[in-house]
Amino acid sequence: DIQMTQSPSSLSASVGDRVTITCRASQSISRYLNWYQQKPGKAPKLLIYAASSLQSGVPSRFSGSGSGTDFTLTISSLQPEDLATYYCQQSYSTPVYTFGQGTKLEIK
Amino acid sequence: EVQLVESGGGLVQPGGSLRLSCAASGFTFSSYEMHWVRQATGKGLEWVSAIGTTGDTYYPGSVKGRFTISRENAKNSLYLQMNSLRAGDTAVYYCARGPRVPAGMGEYYLDYWGQGILVTVSS
Repeated sequence: DIQMTQSPSSLSASVGDRVTITCRASQSISRYLNWYQQKPGKAPKLLIYAASSLQSGVPSRFSGSGSGTDFTLTISSLQPEDLATYYCQQSYSTPVYTFGQGTKLEIK
Repeated sequence: EVQLVESGGGLVQPGGSLRLSCAASGFTFSSYEMHWVRQATGKGLEWVSAIGTTGDTYYPGSVKGRFTISRENAKNSLYLQMNSLRAGDTAVYYCARGPRVPAGMGEYYLDYWGQGILVTVSS
């Protein structure tokens, strides 16, 4: 089974900061990597698919990069509404999906 | 507008059974792979099952043999039959839309999610 490991598990940043979250796969998954945002009490929302493609309606301050085993989600200028937990998910072994453990983002 | 609405959750005793339903609307249900994902309180997301457009099913080891996913295309409905429930199955269960079949390059993701339904396994 493919394991996904995110880092850090939590972070605190200020409005306007550049924020980076990383995700590592236990084996190469090419670019079959998606990112989700989950706000408190809400269902997850797709942000990025295929490692770097922005889902329709998602602000351009969100971007993704990487391939193989190492991936990054970047928020270029943190906004108050970005308070959420972020999850990576591999779809290389589709339709068997695996999520990372999540990164909780707090606003200072 | 795509909508997914779960129902059927509640309190069940250990060893008991429960059947979740997900009513889909706003898209051609029969053309999409469908998934269930769960989240225990304060924990991360755990993929629970998937069903393809032809009825092929997939499960992780944690629920294989106890959970059964099914679909009824005529009713635009997805189901999850959960048997031999354990305390560790307590979670919010989400229904989510997978890729359209056949999927385009890179289109392997869960793009719409229901609001979630709580399942509590406790005596």
